[in-house]
This record gives sequence, C-alpha cells and structure tokens, in this order.
Amino acid sequence: DIQMAQSPSSQSASVGDRVTITCRAGQSITSYLNWYQQKPGRAPKLLIRAASSLQSGVPSRFSGSGSGTDFTLTISSLQPEDSATYFCQQSYSTPYTFGQGTKLEIK
Amino acid sequence: QVQLQESGPGLVKPSETLSLTCTVSGGSITSYYWSWIRQPPGKGVEWIGDIYYSGNTNYNPSLKSRVTISVATSKKQFSLKLNSVTAADTAVYFCARAPGYVPLSWFDPWGQGTLVTVSS
Repeated sequence: DIQMAQSPSSQSASVGDRVTITCRAGQSITSYLNWYQQKPGRAPKLLIRAASSLQSGVPSRFSGSGSGTDFTLTISSLQPEDSATYFCQQSYSTPYTFGQGTKLEIK
Repeated sequence: QVQLQESGPGLVKPSETLSLTCTVSGGSITSYYWSWIRQPPGKGVEWIGDIYYSGNTNYNPSLKSRVTISVATSKKQFSLKLNSVTAADTAVYFCARAPGYVPLSWFDPWGQGTLVTVSS
C-alpha cells in the first residue's frame, strides 16, 4: 500500500492568511493526488483532483500543486467557512489510500 | 445533481455481518465506479472497495476476505456486506462515486455517511 503522510496534523490561522498543507506519498504517484475538505458531521467534498485541477464549484482561493511524492494544498486567503479537516488521497494504485488529515481552525 | 444515501442497521453484534445499501438518485449508475469508504471515530479514512456497474469488483486486500460488494442497477443501488465484524469495524461508512478506475479514482460525490457500531 502507498502510505500518505500529511503535515501539519493541525493548524490555526487568521482570516486572510495564506495557508499551506502538505501531503507526501511513500512512492511516486506522478500527479494522481486528490484533496478533500470535511466539516464535522458532513460528507467529504472533493476540492482538487489530479494534483492541480480545481473541481467545479470550488472557490478559486483553493489550489493544488506538486508531482511525484510531494504535494501542496494552498488556500490563498483564508475565509471563516474554510474551518474544516483537509485530507489527501492517492489514486495512482489500489488500494486507494488517504492521508490522516489536517484540522484547520480559524483564530 | 447526483446524490448518494446510505442505509442499514446502526448496530451490529460482534461476529455478525454488517450490511449497508447505497441508493443513487439524480443520475445514472452506469459508466461509473461505486465505492465504500469508512472512517473510524477520530481516525483516518480507509477505502474498502468498489464495483463497476457491470459488476466487476476491487477490494482492499486488508478486508478482502470479509467483504462483498454488489450492485443492483435496476434499483440504482449498490451494497456492502462485511462479515465477522469486531469492534475495530466500528466506523462511519460512506458510499461514493468515482468517474473511473485507476487513476481516475477521485471520489465525488459522497453520501452523508452512516455510523455503524459493533457491540453486543
């Protein structure tokens, strides 16, 4: 199985801040990395697919980058509604595996 | 827009079989892959397996010996059976859609999730 490691595990930032979350794969997954947002008690929501493609309807302040083993999710200007847990998922090979998540809080 | 809804018992006894159904509404069940995914309380997300509308399945090797996923296209439903459950199988179970197999395997949308507790 491909291990996915996210950092940090939790983060606190202020409205308007630029926030970066990192995901590292245990082997190269080329660009097959997806990002999700999950709010408490809600289903996860796809934000970014294939490392950098913004899913339809997702605000443009979200962006993704990276290839190989190292990937980044960036929120360019943090908004109050962005308080959530974010996790990554590799779709390079089965079994699909997920990062442990980054809990993002608003100061 | 496509919506997914999980249904099934919220409490299962140890050693018994967990059975859940996901109903697809607002869209077609054909030409997509349909997954079951779970999240134990306070823990990370685990992919259980998926099924193509034609019936082809793929399972996580960690659960393969205990899992069966099936599809009923006429009902626009797919189902999960996990046998010989233990407390470690307590989790929120989600169903989700993927546009394809590897590497087109991003999950969108997801159902709202259903908590299944394994306890006597």
